[in-house]
Amino acid sequence: AQSVTQPDIHITVSEGASLELRCNYSYGATPYLFWYVQSPGQGLQLLLKYFSGDTLVQGIKGFEAEFKRSQSSFNLRKPSVHWSDAAEYFCAVAGATNKLIFGTGTLLAVQP
Amino acid sequence: DAGVTQSPTHLIKTRGQQVTLRCSPKSGHDTVSWYQQALGQGPQFIFQYYEEEERQRGNFPDRFSGHQFPNYSSELNVNALLLGDSALYLCASSMNLGSETQYFGPGTRLLVL
Repeated sequence: AQSVTQPDIHITVSEGASLELRCNYSYGATPYLFWYVQSPGQGLQLLLKYFSGDTLVQGIKGFEAEFKRSQSSFNLRKPSVHWSDAAEYFCAVAGATNKLIFGTGTLLAVQP
Repeated sequence: DAGVTQSPTHLIKTRGQQVTLRCSPKSGHDTVSWYQQALGQGPQFIFQYYEEEERQRGNFPDRFSGHQFPNYSSELNVNALLLGDSALYLCASSMNLGSETQYFGPGTRLLVL
């Protein structure tokens, strides 16, 4: 079955510290992978996506993610977190039909 | 360039009632997908419309139905509302039905009492 697992429900980091949010997926074919961010009461904003090619992808707001096929992972990273990064982050997978399957999300809190 | 827009932003209904939510896709997009996001959960795929037809459907009952108009805008209808239908309903648009990036609207928050 197709699924996405985000093992960390809630993460707290200090402002300026590095961040890594984990995402593991299960998908029978070549997946298309996404990270979205959601601020409270808002819709989803695309941070970055992986379709093919270079396995390290750069996104907006200084985020990057690395696709590791052998580990079925697509972890999101940022070298230095800002207070404005506090939000909920969703990893998603899709196939050729473009039906997105989301994880349950990771809520990021940033300490001053 | 306007992004994806949804209306209304908030809605309160009672059990058994019917509701219609509306979505206008991003300019140039012809495919609309609907998602339900319950509190504390990730979005769940409801269905997808392209060329005015439902192309895919998630695991939702027939009480959930939709429509796409010639201008690519879309409606989501939910009949016989249940308390469990309370959620944020998100519309996403993309191009050509294929594996293109989906852009999300701000959502409609539905509360069923």
